[in-house]
Amino acid sequence: DTAVSQTPKYLVTQMGNDKSIKCEQNLGHDTMYWYKQDSKKFLKIMFSYNNKELIINETVPNRFSPKSPDKAHLNLHINSLELGDSAVYFCASTRTGRETQYFGPGTRLLVL
Amino acid sequence: DQQVKQNSPSLSVQEGRISILNCDYTNSMFDYFLWYKKYPAEGPTFLISISSIKDKNEDGRFTVFLNKSAKHLSLHIVPSQPGDSAVYFCAARDYGGSQGNLIFGKGTKLSVKP
Repeated sequence: DTAVSQTPKYLVTQMGNDKSIKCEQNLGHDTMYWYKQDSKKFLKIMFSYNNKELIINETVPNRFSPKSPDKAHLNLHINSLELGDSAVYFCASTRTGRETQYFGPGTRLLVL
Repeated sequence: DQQVKQNSPSLSVQEGRISILNCDYTNSMFDYFLWYKKYPAEGPTFLISISSIKDKNEDGRFTVFLNKSAKHLSLHIVPSQPGDSAVYFCAARDYGGSQGNLIFGKGTKLSVKP
């Protein structure tokens, strides 16, 4: 039983393309997050969604847009991909008020 | 500016001995601190957490100590096992300031040698 799943696991694409990464959780959580792990290995928050509302939006380019069709899903759409977008993207989820977040396996994005 | 710092990029320990991983932070408003373990090509896995109102939390071989006056926490693993070899991330939550997102350190790669 996968708690937090992401697809695809690997994504190789050309500069300028538009791509989406999907995330699903079956933990019954109501808050979901997207993190980016860059080449320096820092894990940094990008977005979070609580009950289908965006509650955090860090200084992320507006080419990145999270979309949540329901509480169990938070997808990440990226327009006009750039070389610097190459990174590992992790989805996570939690129940509002709880400190522990549960992470997906990551999506390794490589922009050529 | 890094609010959560792990100054040791790597640590090597003999099997059966104690592993001590350290973490420093700057924001006194953090209310929870967490340790995550990460294997290559996998997502971070929650290990143990501690509330800012406590100074110690123990779970089996893992103990986390919090020194609020020094803004320092540490993770002790006793005894260390080869399967503990992974990257360990320290994370902190500023619930009031950022509604729950975690701020991570850069990680420490632990190698436990048989």
